[in-house]
Amino acid sequence: DAGVIQSPRHEVTEMGQEVTLRCKPISGHDYLFWYRQTMMRGLELLIYFNNNVPIDDSGMPEDRFSAKMPNASFSTLKIQPSEPRDSAVYFCASSLLNQPQHFGDGTRLSIL
Amino acid sequence: KQEVTQIPAALSVPEGENLVLNCSFTDSAIYNLQWFRQDPGKGLTSLLLIQSSQREQTSGRLNASLDKSSGRSTLYIAASQPGDSATYLCAARVSSGSARQLTFGSGTQLTVLP
Repeated sequence: DAGVIQSPRHEVTEMGQEVTLRCKPISGHDYLFWYRQTMMRGLELLIYFNNNVPIDDSGMPEDRFSAKMPNASFSTLKIQPSEPRDSAVYFCASSLLNQPQHFGDGTRLSIL
Repeated sequence: KQEVTQIPAALSVPEGENLVLNCSFTDSAIYNLQWFRQDPGKGLTSLLLIQSSQREQTSGRLNASLDKSSGRSTLYIAASQPGDSATYLCAARVSSGSARQLTFGSGTQLTVLP
């Protein structure tokens, strides 16, 4: 079975540019989560969806961040404009109700 | 607000030793607690999930326990191997219903020496 697929694996871009991270959840999973991991703050939940609908976006740091899930097999996390402090590893995870979350390998983002 | 703490931050043991990783949480009203493994440059792999009504879960050489009253969980690894070297994170889910958030600890980096 294919796991959660994230792209790109690595992204390096200059400050001010738009960044789009992509995620394909495991087929049939109805929950999708976006996390950010840094050395200073550890793993933080940014937003999660249930059946393609955003349920809780209280972890999104500011208006520069936005996330969409146009269908059950695809989600994006967008940062516009990007800043150096956004540099982190961004993870996508998916799950079924009350079941363990399955994580992708992450996108390592560096903003110069 | 739920806080999850893992001590120690790093642990090094010789191969073959049994070891215990600790996880504590401040809000005992958890729905479940999950242990993950993270290898360098990789995502998290779920190891064990303990529902709030359970006391422990076992998978192979791994055993996780949960004591809600004391706000603690432990992950026991028997007969450790170099391949067990990774960062281990615990995460507590604080409520059922519509909330699905996991609050993560900062992890324990385990090194098993051959």
